[in-house]
This record gives sequence, structure tokens and C-alpha cells, in this order.
Amino acid sequence: DSGVTQTPKHLITATGQRVTLRCSPRSGDLSVYWYQQSLDQGLQFLIQYYNGEERAKGNILERFSAQQFPDLHSELNLSSLELGDSALYFCASGRSGYEQYFGPGTRLTVT
Amino acid sequence: GQQLNQSPQSMFIQEGEDVSMNCTSSSIFNTWLWYKQDPGEGPVLLIALYKAGELTSNGRLTAQFGITRKDSFLNISASIPSDVGIYFCAGPIHRDDKIIFGKGTRLHILP
Repeated sequence: DSGVTQTPKHLITATGQRVTLRCSPRSGDLSVYWYQQSLDQGLQFLIQYYNGEERAKGNILERFSAQQFPDLHSELNLSSLELGDSALYFCASGRSGYEQYFGPGTRLTVT
Repeated sequence: GQQLNQSPQSMFIQEGEDVSMNCTSSSIFNTWLWYKQDPGEGPVLLIALYKAGELTSNGRLTAQFGITRKDSFLNISASIPSDVGIYFCAGPIHRDDKIIFGKGTRLHILP
């Protein structure tokens, strides 16, 4: 158990809909990272927050957004969903340096 | 852009065999991370390497930070069934905490 929690574990929704994925980092970790993992793309970095502020951005679509709250939990919002957005979404947290600890993931299926 | 190349992509071995895999880059890395992912789970950090030439062990796993700083190696000794999974190397690409992942080496153990 990494200490990172993610909810929900599974999510099934229809195209065009909007969903919110939630992540609670390990105690004491200020950084939260979001990744998307699909079968053919591997782990793709989406965005990082550090202590409430956006710190780095990767290949995140404009339809996606994230935020980190004062209690350090983070939410990833995915809107106008398309079939191609079906994937595993992981949250990771870290304290310093480059070591990141991953949550169990949310499996999103868009039908 | 920068990328990490892992080889082999896939391995089929007998239980009890030793395993070697590597990760290479065209750019210098100052940190190498090795993760393992079980099906449907989040990646788990196995070993972190911070210094060229460094050799670090974690149980039956040993990882090395290549002298050129453009490669890293992971060895597993006396493989067991629970070693099955995907092994990813990762490293930072900028001075922030952002890291990139290789596409993974998938390890299969033959019965």
C-alpha cells in the first residue's frame, strides 16, 4: 500500500459526459501528479501540482483540468468525454526529489 | 523529445532464472527510477539511483546507474511467480519534478 488513495476505482460513463477523479496523497507529500495509461501509450504525464499550485504540465488536453485543494487532495476533471479517453488514470504523490508513489488508479470506460 | 528505450519489450523465462533488462536514453539523466506494475494496479517504486556507477539492491533486485549516465540496468535473481509484471524505468527530464517513463519490459514466467 503506497498510502495514495484514489476514488472511484472504476467509472463507466457515456461520450460527452464529465467526470471527476479524486486523489489523496501520502501524508506529508506536497506534490500530486496525474498520469494517463492506455494500452498503446504507456504512462503519459498529464499535470503536476505542488502545494496547491500548478507546477508542470504534460500532454493534458484542454478538455481536462485539475486542481489541488488546501488539504492537498487533488481532483482531475475530464469533460466532453470521448471513446479515446478510456484509460487508467493514476495519481502519484511525492515529497522531494523525483520519487513518486502511485495510487491504485481509476479505470475509466467511456461508452 | 527525450525518451527512454527499454529492452527487451517482453521476456519469457523459467522460474528460478535470473533476469536482466535495461533502459537507455540519448540524453544524460541524473536520476534513474525503476518501477514494477502488476495488472490493474499502480506502479510501485522498486529502486531509485542517484549517482553514476551506483549499484543498489532491494532483495533479489539489483539496479545500476550506468557510467555514461545514459543507461540503467535492472537484474532480478532467482525469479519467482510474483515477479510477473511490467517493469518501467523512469527519469526526470527537467529541473522540476516531472519524470518520463519507458514503455516497459513485460516479464512472463513459464510454468
